[in-house]
Amino acid sequence: DQQVKQNSPSLSVQEGRISILNCDYTNSMFDYFLWYKKYPAEGPTFLISISSIKDKNEDGRFTVFLNKSAKHLSLHIVPSQPGDSAVYFCAAAEYGNKLVFGAGTILRVKS
Amino acid sequence: SAVISQKPSRDICQRGTSLTIQCQVDSQVTMMFWYRQQPGQSLTLIATANQGSEATYESGFVIDKFPISRPNLTFSTLTVSNMSPEDSSIYLCSGSNRDRVEETQYFGPGTRLLVL
Repeated sequence: DQQVKQNSPSLSVQEGRISILNCDYTNSMFDYFLWYKKYPAEGPTFLISISSIKDKNEDGRFTVFLNKSAKHLSLHIVPSQPGDSAVYFCAAAEYGNKLVFGAGTILRVKS
Repeated sequence: SAVISQKPSRDICQRGTSLTIQCQVDSQVTMMFWYRQQPGQSLTLIATANQGSEATYESGFVIDKFPISRPNLTFSTLTVSNMSPEDSSIYLCSGSNRDRVEETQYFGPGTRLLVL
């Protein structure tokens, strides 16, 4: 049973435009959510997180939105740059418990 | 943040053999974890490596198949025992200095394993 789903295996965006990566979850007990970015031959690196008491968290070009009623979160990248091309993983956890990861979305930013 | 290295970076092994993967952190971390990423799938937690005691395994993973050691706060090993082609995956080590497991973890580059 996949508790965290990233339904788009890949996304292609023009440089300078907005990239929107989506993530859905089924466990209503999740209260902490993270996005990781992964380049080929490297480990995932932490990008941004949000706790369930918030609905938005922003860090530079990256903004994460959380819709608890819909059990949905999204990552917005504005403006998108070619260096943003990577695999993006969504992850979620209950307090004090393990991270549960989605399968990832490949983002390609075209120049 | 912590910088995490893994050895080997990749290996090709014969079925029935075992491989030990090393994970080294450049500073002391409170918690260390081992993950597996099978082709086209998400990262799955294998176990939490506990310093000086037995690792805590997730459902579906057992010590006989994936023995783990953590002799100190900067080093851990994962052994993949009696390998079969189904064990072909990327194995990742991670570390965290947060007390809460769900808070940010730092990952190593992974070990890409192919079992023939």
